[in-house]
Amino acid sequence: GDSVTQMEGPVTLSEEAFLTINCTYTATGYPSLFWYVQYPGEGLQLLLKATKADDKGSNKGFEATYRKETTSFHLEKGSVQVSDSAVYFCALVPNNAGNMLTFGGGTRLMVKP
Amino acid sequence: DGGITQSPKYLFRKEGQNVTLSCEQNLNHDAMYWYRQDPGQGLRLIYYSQIVNDFQKGDIAEGYSVSREKKESFPLTVTSAQKNPTAFYLCASSIRTDITEQYFGPGTRLTVT
Repeated sequence: GDSVTQMEGPVTLSEEAFLTINCTYTATGYPSLFWYVQYPGEGLQLLLKATKADDKGSNKGFEATYRKETTSFHLEKGSVQVSDSAVYFCALVPNNAGNMLTFGGGTRLMVKP
Repeated sequence: DGGITQSPKYLFRKEGQNVTLSCEQNLNHDAMYWYRQDPGQGLRLIYYSQIVNDFQKGDIAEGYSVSREKKESFPLTVTSAQKNPTAFYLCASSIRTDITEQYFGPGTRLTVT
């Protein structure tokens, strides 16, 4: 079945460091791909998405590119801030499957001043 | 302000008791979802509803029940048959089930002792 694999955390960075959180997926066809963010004690918020190969999703300085050839959707940010500390979830919606989300396990990011 | 509300934020119950978690949305969304989140894991779908008076089981429906009597409301009952009920429960909604973006509530943390 469809699945999403994320790098295990926590990822600990200093402020202004470069961030990469790896995400790879297994799915048939062309799924839509998402990154959600969960701040402490809160629900999830959609951070960015990409619906076809080579699309780049971006929001709040975060970017991720849909790579069909490597089945990846890695999240990047050039300069993280303390306020970016959260748990990040990669997710997919299979092709022609409405919007049933399949989530990865989440990666906790901790940014230190 | 439009959004999704879940109450209470924290809930404590004794083993063997049923408990109902509230989820209300004023976004006029047709579709609503319940997810369970365990520490260090991604979200898993419990139930979803595409329209009033209709709902379907997700991946882990055993031990749970739902109702959808009103468009705005999708309460989840955690029954005594659920073997490991302690978890963080998240409710979400989307305009329709063929629209990929889901909006999440703040969650309810249930502790059963």
